[in-house]
Amino acid sequence: EAGVTQFPSHSVIEKGQTVTLRCDPISGHDNLYWYRRVMGKEIKFLLHFVKESKQDESGMPNNRFLAERTGGTYSTLKVQPAELEDSGVYFCASSQAETGVRAGGYTFGSGTRLTVV
Amino acid sequence: GQNIDQPTEMTATEGAIVQINCTYQTSGFNGLFWYQQHAGEAPTFLSYNVLDGLEEKGRFSSFLSRSKGYSYLLLKELQMKDSASYLCAVRDTGGFKTIFGAGTRLFVKA
Repeated sequence: EAGVTQFPSHSVIEKGQTVTLRCDPISGHDNLYWYRRVMGKEIKFLLHFVKESKQDESGMPNNRFLAERTGGTYSTLKVQPAELEDSGVYFCASSQAETGVRAGGYTFGSGTRLTVV
Repeated sequence: GQNIDQPTEMTATEGAIVQINCTYQTSGFNGLFWYQQHAGEAPTFLSYNVLDGLEEKGRFSSFLSRSKGYSYLLLKELQMKDSASYLCAVRDTGGFKTIFGAGTRLFVKA
């Protein structure tokens, strides 16, 4: 089966611009997560979708970040306007229900490396 | 607060055994993951512990003590390809939110 796909793999934008990251989860995975790793720090949770609903968005840093998952398939994460501190690697992950998580964890995409200059 | 501690770096020799420790202090606990991440790649799942004890999977084993807030990942018969970052992550209670440690960079030398 195809894995979790993220696009683009790299993005360099200027401060104040808008960037939209996309994640295509594994087909059939209702759970989709966004994480972020800022340089030198740990991977941090941003939010969790169950199908098209936001289950937990407690990790979203501020209202410049907007995540959507229309139709419960792919998800987008928009940063508008981007600031320097938004630079980092944005990971998407997906999982099946509980039994799948215990057996195989979350499947991560390769991430989008965002650089804001 | 939420805190996961693991060593920043470790070095070991090919063919040897290495143990990577992880201690955690989290408001809730619903399982602990270990992931492997090679530079520039996605984290890949290694193990999941929710009950105390040792889980063995080939060359990799993971141990959990919930009362001590402690886990370790044991890698046997080290190979050069095992050079990577190893991430300890705790799943929060009641949901799927996962808290990650900063990772341990393991260098395997010949």
